[in-house]
Amino acid sequence: AQSVTQPDIHITVSEGASLELRCNYSYGATPYLFWYVQSPGQGLQLLLKYFSGDTLVQGIKGFEAEFKRSQSSFNLRKPSVHWSDAAEYFCAVGAGRNNDMRFGAGTRLTVKP
Amino acid sequence: GAVVSQHPSRVICKSGTSVKIECRSLDFQATTMFWYRQFPKQSLMLMATSNEGSKATYEQGVEKDKFLINHASLTLSTLTVTSAHPEDSSFYICSARDLERELFFGEGSRLTVL
Repeated sequence: AQSVTQPDIHITVSEGASLELRCNYSYGATPYLFWYVQSPGQGLQLLLKYFSGDTLVQGIKGFEAEFKRSQSSFNLRKPSVHWSDAAEYFCAVGAGRNNDMRFGAGTRLTVKP
Repeated sequence: GAVVSQHPSRVICKSGTSVKIECRSLDFQATTMFWYRQFPKQSLMLMATSNEGSKATYEQGVEKDKFLINHASLTLSTLTVTSAHPEDSSFYICSARDLERELFFGEGSRLTVL
């Protein structure tokens, strides 16, 4: 079965600084990979996804992620963080016939003024 | 993008009662829906996969008699928490998959059992 690891539980960055959130997955074949953002008490919003093709994917709100098969990673990046980016970020992998999705533990992002 | 609606968004009930949460795909047909549970400051845990017209597939450790899932149509799946107890208090989120295998999430339903 597929699994996802987000090594960083909490990250704090200054507004305007760059950001990288780490995600490692485990799955035997090429997985479907996703990044979601969740604000407190809210549902999930899809930032970006990778199914196939170009390994560098662009998402909403200026986020991008790069799929690296050799490292089993799908790290999320943003060149300049805004205060409104403070939230919980989840990496997820979908696989199997039903594409059931498994989530990482999440990384909480705090943005300092 | 596609919209998935959950109702109610918040519900408070007494211990021992049953609560039903609805998940609707508003502008697409979803043959498969998923139910997740999220504890405070934790990740989403897949509870079950719901397929239209057939029985749900539950993840290991999830009591199927306690968490009843019905997927009666291509746009509606329901989760009923039976004989709710305080430990069932949680944030429940559904997702629905469209024909292009993309998943869309509902806004979640917060259940509080007193």
